[in-house]
Amino acid sequence: QKEVEQDPGPLSVPEGAIVSLNCTYSNSAFQYFMWYRQYSRKGPELLMYTYSSGNKEDGRFTAQVDKSSKYISLFIRDSQPSDSATYLCAIRAPLGAGNNRKLIWGLGTSLAVNP
Amino acid sequence: EPEVTQTPSHQVTQMGQEVILRCVPISNHLYFYWYRQILGQKVEFLVSFYNNEISEKSEIFDDQFSVERPDGSNFTLKIRSTKLEDSAMYFCASSPLSSPDTQYFGPGTRLTVL
Repeated sequence: QKEVEQDPGPLSVPEGAIVSLNCTYSNSAFQYFMWYRQYSRKGPELLMYTYSSGNKEDGRFTAQVDKSSKYISLFIRDSQPSDSATYLCAIRAPLGAGNNRKLIWGLGTSLAVNP
Repeated sequence: EPEVTQTPSHQVTQMGQEVILRCVPISNHLYFYWYRQILGQKVEFLVSFYNNEISEKSEIFDDQFSVERPDGSNFTLKIRSTKLEDSAMYFCASSPLSSPDTQYFGPGTRLTVL
C-alpha cells in the first residue's frame, strides 16, 4: 500500500464553488500534515500545517485531519480563478535518529477554477 | 518576505557530465533539504541536512550525489555523472529552528540530461 495517495484529478469548478481535496495515508504513526499549492513550473508553497486530528482554518482554507480514517482534507471556500493550481498533500515522516523531517508527498490534485 | 532562491532555473547537460545545483536558503533557517520531481510523478525526498551534516538520505541519493554548505549562505547539490533518469525538477527547501516542520521551497531547477 502506498504511503500517501491522492487523486490527481483534474478537478474543474466554477468560481465561487466550495472545493474539497483529499488524501489518504497508510501509516498511523503520521502526525504532521501539510497542504502545499504549486503553480505551474514553480516550487510548492506551504498553505496549511496541521498536527494530529482536528480542523484548522485560515481565511478561505480549512484543513481537516481524521486520524481514525487516515484521511486528510483541504476545503477551499468561495474559490477564485487564482486558486487554479496543483494542490499537494504532504506528511512529515516520524522523526528518525538524525532529526530528519522529510516530507512524504501525494501526487497532487490539479484544480481549475473557471470564471 | 524572505524566500529560498535557486540557480540556475534550467540546466541542460550531457549524460555523464557533472552538475551543481545551487540554493540560497532563508537566512535564519537551520534545516535544509533537496527534493526532486520527475514530470508527472510525486515529489521525492533526496536528502536532509542539519548541523552541517546529512541527517537522512533516500535510496535515490547514491554515491553520485553529494551536498555541501560551502559557506554561511549557499547549499549545493552535486550530481557527479548525470544519467538520463536524473532529468527532473530539483527543489531546495529550508525550515527554521522555531518551526522545523514548515518547509519553504525554492522555485526549482529544471535539469535536462541529454
